[in-house]
Amino acid sequence: EAGVTQFPSHSVIEKGQTVTLRCDPISGHDNLYWYRRVMGKEIKFLLHFVKESKQDESGMPNNRFLAERTGGTYSTLKVQPAELEDSGVYFCASSPSAGGYNEQFFGPGTRLTVL
Amino acid sequence: GDSVTQMEGPVTLSEEAFLTINCTYTATGYPSLFWYVQYPGEGLQLLLKATKADDKGSNKGFEATYRKETTSFHLEKGSVQVSDSAVYFCALSDQLTGGSYIPTFGRGTSLIVHP
Repeated sequence: EAGVTQFPSHSVIEKGQTVTLRCDPISGHDNLYWYRRVMGKEIKFLLHFVKESKQDESGMPNNRFLAERTGGTYSTLKVQPAELEDSGVYFCASSPSAGGYNEQFFGPGTRLTVL
Repeated sequence: GDSVTQMEGPVTLSEEAFLTINCTYTATGYPSLFWYVQYPGEGLQLLLKATKADDKGSNKGFEATYRKETTSFHLEKGSVQVSDSAVYFCALSDQLTGGSYIPTFGRGTSLIVHP
């Protein structure tokens, strides 16, 4: 079974440009999460989808960030316009919906560098 | 709010050495505690967890005990291997959303094991 995949693995853009990150969760997982790790700091929660609906977006830093999950399958995270402080590694994770605790499975991350 | 503090790295050891990575936490409730590992080029993987005081999580020779009195969850392994080289993240969560915990992560500790 394929794991969580993310594209691209690396992205280098200039300040003011737009970047779109993509996450493909494990097939059948209703829950999809985005996290971000700024260099040397903690991994921070950004938001959580249940199918196509945003369950919790309390971690989104500002309105330059837009996340979508069309059809409840893959998700995109767009940063527009990008700023220097947006540099970091963006992780996606997915988990199934069921009673009780379900482990989140993480993708390898997208490293974003804003120059 | 909740927070996790773990020792800074990198931690550099020779093969078969004893490993300890310290982790302490601050939480308002009674969280579950986790250790995640990120091998080079891969996503985070759940290594072990403990859900209540005095529980011991263990996996792949690693273990950690939930110490409520000292608010700690130190990671230990008796004999490390080169293949254990990775970044280790301590995390807590007392938030069960959609059947999955949203972790609060520490900054990560890089472990380098030399032959």
